[in-house]
Amino acid sequence: EDQVTQSPEALRLQEGESSSLNCSYTVSGLRGLFWYRQDPGKGPEFLFTLYSAGEEKEKERLKATLTKKESFLHITAPKPEDSATYLCAVEGGSNYKLTFGKGTLLTVNP
Amino acid sequence: GAVVSQHPSWVICKSGTSVKIECRSLDFQATTMFWYRQFPKQSLMLMATSNEGSKATYEQGVEKDKFLINHASLTLSTLTVTSAHPEDSSFYICSAVRPTGLTDTQYFGPGTRLTVL
Repeated sequence: EDQVTQSPEALRLQEGESSSLNCSYTVSGLRGLFWYRQDPGKGPEFLFTLYSAGEEKEKERLKATLTKKESFLHITAPKPEDSATYLCAVEGGSNYKLTFGKGTLLTVNP
Repeated sequence: GAVVSQHPSWVICKSGTSVKIECRSLDFQATTMFWYRQFPKQSLMLMATSNEGSKATYEQGVEKDKFLINHASLTLSTLTVTSAHPEDSSFYICSAVRPTGLTDTQYFGPGTRLTVL
């Protein structure tokens, strides 16, 4: 059974204070690891897909990396508008199903 | 980016009534869509897989007679909550699968807040 564990559960940063979110996973045959952002009362917004160990992707202040056991979402010089819950998910089979972690609630204070 | 819409965005109904939620992929065709529910401060819980032209596949513990799913076209899936009760109150989110790169990506709708009185 695929498993995804995200840490920390909550993270509070000051504006400009860089940090990283962790996503540890176990999956038989990784087809893709996904990062989403979810704002309160809204559906998840797609950020990145990572396919293989060593891969990195960037978007504005966010950078996602992948190893064989975990993924990191690095946030550089965050702004208050980066505050959200960040969800990590893996696809292990061929039926498009995702296994989600419980998310990291990020709060960036001005 | 891919756009997925849901309608309505929120609904309040009386216990015992049925509620239909629509999920549309606006700029791509989706053979597969998913329905999730999310309780406050919890992650997404997959309810069922909706495949165009075939019966939905439900996750263990989800009552298929209570949560009716119809994927009538490549851009529309509907979830009907039949004989709704207060315990069905939740945030329902759909996703549509779009082929991208080496695998396929789920794009999510904005969600529907259901409150059953």
